[in-house]
Amino acid sequence: DVKVTQSSRYLVKRTGEKVFLECVQDMDHENMFWYRQDPGLGLRLIYFSYDVKMKEKGDIPEGYSVSREKKERFSLILESASTNQTSMYLCASSSTGAYGYTFGSGTRLTVV
Amino acid sequence: QKEVEQNSGPLSVPEGAIASLNCTYSDRGSQSFFWYRQYSGKSPELIMSIYSNGDKEDGRFTAQLNKASQYVSLLIRDSQPSDSATYLCAVRRSVSSNTGKLIFGQGTTLQVKP
Repeated sequence: DVKVTQSSRYLVKRTGEKVFLECVQDMDHENMFWYRQDPGLGLRLIYFSYDVKMKEKGDIPEGYSVSREKKERFSLILESASTNQTSMYLCASSSTGAYGYTFGSGTRLTVV
Repeated sequence: QKEVEQNSGPLSVPEGAIASLNCTYSDRGSQSFFWYRQYSGKSPELIMSIYSNGDKEDGRFTAQLNKASQYVSLLIRDSQPSDSATYLCAVRRSVSSNTGKLIFGQGTTLQVKP
């Protein structure tokens, strides 16, 4: 089975800190995605990548950046964490073609 | 109009009944359709995919696709309390087929009462 691993299940950070969320997939998928999920707002795409060193903005990229130096790893960076970035962060990957995503288990980030 | 629309619910059905979850989409060129199940506090899990018009069955689950009417549905037969979750509909638009990007609906919460 495809495995998408997110480095932390729960994370508490202070306002202004730089935060790194890591995601690793083990099935050689080309595409990787970062979403946040908030009650009543559904899944919102932050950034995605379809190849190493390639990235594209999603619907809500402000306050975030990403890095994809290796095919299996896609990192989400909060440059200066703010309380409105408290959320569940979900990483996903997929193969090119008509396939669905496999999600990681999620990171619940709280910014205090 | 949202690209992918679902009734947020909650949809409440008695145990053993058929639960019917519906989803409409706006991009007529959409090619691939998915249903995800998400338990509270957990991440979404892919349970069904469908690519052509008609029905696709997998155990107690049946996905139905009607491209002319631009809707996709999920039927859950013999509903169990363990089916209580939020069900997300996701669509791959034609223009995003190479990058694999999916558009998600807001999800429908299903409650199966014993």
